[in-house]
Amino acid sequence: QVQLQESGPGLVKPLETLSLTCSVAGASISNYYWTWMRQSPGKGPEWIGNVHHSGSTNYNPSLKSRVTILLDTPKNQFSLKLASLTAADTAIYYCAGKEDFAGYGLDVWGQGTAVTVSS
Amino acid sequence: SYEVTQPPSVSVSPGQTASITCSGDRLGTKYVCWYQQRPGQSPVLVIYRDSKRPSGIPDRFSGSNSGSTATLTISGTQAIDEADYYCQSWDSSTVVFGGGTRLTVL
Repeated sequence: QVQLQESGPGLVKPLETLSLTCSVAGASISNYYWTWMRQSPGKGPEWIGNVHHSGSTNYNPSLKSRVTILLDTPKNQFSLKLASLTAADTAIYYCAGKEDFAGYGLDVWGQGTAVTVSS
Repeated sequence: SYEVTQPPSVSVSPGQTASITCSGDRLGTKYVCWYQQRPGQSPVLVIYRDSKRPSGIPDRFSGSNSGSTATLTISGTQAIDEADYYCQSWDSSTVVFGGGTRLTVL
């Protein structure tokens, strides 16, 4: 059974860079698309971006200038960096994964980590 | 940018059939997935590739997608089905989520 666990700071200052890591257990990081999502209070999930097991990435156009997602295959982890934070980036951040087939959905999710942007 | 639209809320009586729609330009030409999210929990995939159910999802959940509308249908709705439901599709390599529908089982 695949399990994902997010880790990172719960509080970050405005204009700083958020760094989160997702550790993958129970599966190889290969053969999956790995994704970062976020959800602001009372709103629906927002796709931040994903990284293919080959290392190629796709980002939400609205966040693309501030986002970097990287794969660390030896550690079976992937990471998110989100720069130039504002209060609007306060959310629960989830890592998730989907099998590398067209039309497959995100079938494995982490429990989410709450991030607050505040001075 | 591509958008998909859901009704904010749907109500259903226990045992009845609930239908939640997701609309988008030529959505029927794209794959659609559906997620269930209960308060305080991570989303759970309930339908992928328009109509396929992941293992462990009850067969009262079904999906369809044609024209500009995808539909999640819950037959014999139970109280435990009360949750937020989100549709998701793709626009090229970009993932798009709907705004969500709150299903209330009255």
